[in-house]
Amino acid sequence: KAGVTQTPRYLIKTRGQQVTLSCSPISGHRSVSWYQQTPGQGLQFLFEYFSETQRNKGNFPGRFSGRQFSNSRSEMNVSTLELGDSALYLCASSPGQTENIQYFGAGTRLSVL
Amino acid sequence: AQKITQTQPGMFVQEKEAVTLDCTYDTSDPSYGLFWYKQPSSGEMIFLIYQGSYDQQNATEGRYSLNFQKARKSANLVISASQLGDSAMYFCAMRGAGSSNTGKLIFGQGTTLQVKP
Repeated sequence: KAGVTQTPRYLIKTRGQQVTLSCSPISGHRSVSWYQQTPGQGLQFLFEYFSETQRNKGNFPGRFSGRQFSNSRSEMNVSTLELGDSALYLCASSPGQTENIQYFGAGTRLSVL
Repeated sequence: AQKITQTQPGMFVQEKEAVTLDCTYDTSDPSYGLFWYKQPSSGEMIFLIYQGSYDQQNATEGRYSLNFQKARKSANLVISASQLGDSAMYFCAMRGAGSSNTGKLIFGQGTTLQVKP
């Protein structure tokens, strides 16, 4: 079974631009969660999608948004990029029940110049 | 509020020896889950082991075991017979109950483990 796939792996953008990151979950998994990892703040939860609906959201500004498609693939968008948005963005998938284990992708490393 | 604390920023261990990585947690939820993940320099988070709050026995997965002490709110990871490939960052994480915790893991700051040959 293929794992969680994130594309692209690396991305360089400039301030003010917007960016879209993609996450394909493990086949059969309906939940996708997104996390931001920075040296200063560590790993922080962004949001979770299940069956095309956002079920939970972390404490991030509205510039961070996401969506999920009918095939469970998810995208995350960051608008008006700031230098502080430079981070490793990880997505994780699970079947969707609260007690399920989350399996992570390799992440997208975003650099904002 | 839920919180995970990992007090060891860095650890060294000799190859083939055992090592314990510390994790304490704080939650008021009666039902929760505790996880350990490994993150090599490549960035991918690799799931290692899971312990449910109602599990009576400590979880084990191959060379990994979780020393779960509920009263002390600790969930230490024990790696037996360390290998060079175990060198990585290790994160302890918790999942709480209720809709506000759906799909959400709370992570500690991580422990960097270096295995010496």
